[in-house]
Amino acid sequence: KAGVTQTPRYLIKTRGQQVTLSCSPISGHRSVSWYQQTPGQGLQFLFEYFSETQRNKGNFPGRFSGRQFSNSRSEMNVSTLELGDSALYLCASSPRGATGLSPTDTQYFGPGTRLTVL
Amino acid sequence: GDSVTQMEGPVTLSEEAFLTINCTYTATGYPSLFWYVQYPGEGLQLLLKATKADDKGSNKGFEATYRKETTSFHLEKGSVQVSDSAVYFCALTPEGGNEKLTFGTGTRLTIIP
Repeated sequence: KAGVTQTPRYLIKTRGQQVTLSCSPISGHRSVSWYQQTPGQGLQFLFEYFSETQRNKGNFPGRFSGRQFSNSRSEMNVSTLELGDSALYLCASSPRGATGLSPTDTQYFGPGTRLTVL
Repeated sequence: GDSVTQMEGPVTLSEEAFLTINCTYTATGYPSLFWYVQYPGEGLQLLLKATKADDKGSNKGFEATYRKETTSFHLEKGSVQVSDSAVYFCALTPEGGNEKLTFGTGTRLTIIP
């Protein structure tokens, strides 16, 4: 099976702009999660989507949003970019189902999108 | 809330040395525990996992045992190679779970030939 793919791989924006990142999960995976990785804060959970619904959310401001489509592909959007939004944004997919009761599901990560805000 | 504390890096070892990277966690009940590895310029790859107490995860010569009594999940390898140079992250998901991975700060490992 093909792995998790993310596009674009690199992005340069200026402060105040907005950006949209895309993630295609592993075929058959319905759960997609997003993480932000920075040298200062490490890896932080942004949100998770399942069947087009946001199921979990981390502690990020409302400028960070996402959505999931019926084919499980997901996008995240950051509006009014700030310098501190420069980071590697990682997407992960898992086969976890609707009830989320299985303890054995593993998240598989994509290569990330490197966002630089100038 | 949940948290993961990882051994501070960087760690530099000679090839064929023994590796231990310490990881302890704080969480309610029985979380699932993971080690992920990140090679330069890449995303995270799952190295191994354990989902219940006393389970041992293993892969590519790496091992870690889920110790509930000490809330630990230390990563070990008997003989490291140059190709093991990477950043290693300990992580957990809560019991009964949601998909939110809580990560440690990462340990950069460099192996010298």
